[in-house]
Amino acid sequence: DGGITQSPKYLFRKEGQNVTLSCEQNLNHDAMYWYRQDPGQGLRLIYYSQIVNDFQKGDIAEGYSVSREKKESFPLTVTSAQKNPTAFYLCASSIVEGKADGYTFGSGTRLTVV
Amino acid sequence: AQSVTQLGSHVSVSEGALVLLRCNYSSSVPPYLFWYVQYPNQGLQLLLKYTSAATLVKGINGFEAEFKKSETSFHLTKPSAHMSDAAEYFCAVREYSSASKIIFGSGTRLSIRP
Repeated sequence: DGGITQSPKYLFRKEGQNVTLSCEQNLNHDAMYWYRQDPGQGLRLIYYSQIVNDFQKGDIAEGYSVSREKKESFPLTVTSAQKNPTAFYLCASSIVEGKADGYTFGSGTRLTVV
Repeated sequence: AQSVTQLGSHVSVSEGALVLLRCNYSSSVPPYLFWYVQYPNQGLQLLLKYTSAATLVKGINGFEAEFKKSETSFHLTKPSAHMSDAAEYFCAVREYSSASKIIFGSGTRLSIRP
């Protein structure tokens, strides 16, 4: 079955460490997105990419970095510059031209700073 | 610019009662509208979507929503709440223009009382 796989489901980071969250899709979708979700808050867009080797900053890109070397993969790195990284991270994908289709989401990664 | 407003961050209903979750949108052109559901520690799942084919849209799990252009609303309803409906619900809007992103509301947490 096609879908989006996020790994790991739970991740613990020490102060000052960089960590990378994985997001892989086999839906042949053009666009991929990273969102951050904090308790009681909505979704905030971190980065998005509509084509391989190209990506744009979202609303809260500071302290994060991404790459899009393959259509299927859009990893997110949480750098030590992100001062409050504890959150639930969601990856999504969509067809760029299929605007009626909405987004397909992964099951999320919960990142905790220890 | 497009936006979406969900009225009420938390709604509580009794099991078997009517569920009504409110959503108003702002868009300069006819929009695509979506409702997503999120269960704890999971990603978002599409409940239903409006794509201009019909103003009353039926989704999964017995939910439906009605598009009302005059009121710029897209409220989500279910005639009889079930305990399994307890979750976070997000309304979202996407304009017809090319390469547009989806804008999500802040979410409404639905609780079901036995």
